[in-house]
Amino acid sequence: DAGVIQSPRHEVTEMGQEVTLRCKPISGHDYLFWYRQTMMRGLELLIYFNNNVPIDDSGMPEDRFSAKMPNASFSTLKIQPSEPRDSAVYFCASSGDRYAYEQYFGPGTRLTVT
Amino acid sequence: AQSVTQLGSHVSVSEGALVLLRCNYSSSVPPYLFWYVQYPNQGLQLLLKYTSAATLVKGINGFEAEFKKSETSFHLTKPSAHMSDAAEYFCAVNSGGYQKVTFGIGTKLQVIP
Repeated sequence: DAGVIQSPRHEVTEMGQEVTLRCKPISGHDYLFWYRQTMMRGLELLIYFNNNVPIDDSGMPEDRFSAKMPNASFSTLKIQPSEPRDSAVYFCASSGDRYAYEQYFGPGTRLTVT
Repeated sequence: AQSVTQLGSHVSVSEGALVLLRCNYSSSVPPYLFWYVQYPNQGLQLLLKYTSAATLVKGINGFEAEFKKSETSFHLTKPSAHMSDAAEYFCAVNSGGYQKVTFGIGTKLQVIP
């Protein structure tokens, strides 16, 4: 299996622009997670889905952030409008092991907002 | 509520020396516990996990961890450090029967030649 795939790997954008991050989970996994990693706050869970349905979005920072999972093989995290404080590495992870909660992480997208 | 505390954001060891990375957890129910490793510019990778079976858990790359309920600890050890072990290590906990995992702040391991 190719593992969790994220695109783009790097994104540089100007403040106010819309940013869309993409994720393809491991085939057969029914849980998908979006995390944000910064030096100041560490690894934060933003939102997670089960069978394409958002289960917990309490970590989404504010209304500028939105996430969708239109089907089992694709998810997006959108920031509109972007701000410099959104600069971070965004990880997508998937899990298919209901009882062991092991998560498989993608390589991440490094976002820089200038 | 669940949480983990990693003691020491940076740890340095000499090549060949014992590696000990500390993790204490808080959970109202028997937890599942994990150690993940992150190499530079990569995502997290599972090292090992405790799921209420054997209290001593062996993982990849020669690492192991012991679940101690009385101490609410899940420390990660490796008898002899290798240069390739230099990375950031995250302890994580899951409790409550759902998929949400809480990660610690991470410990950066430096291996000195």
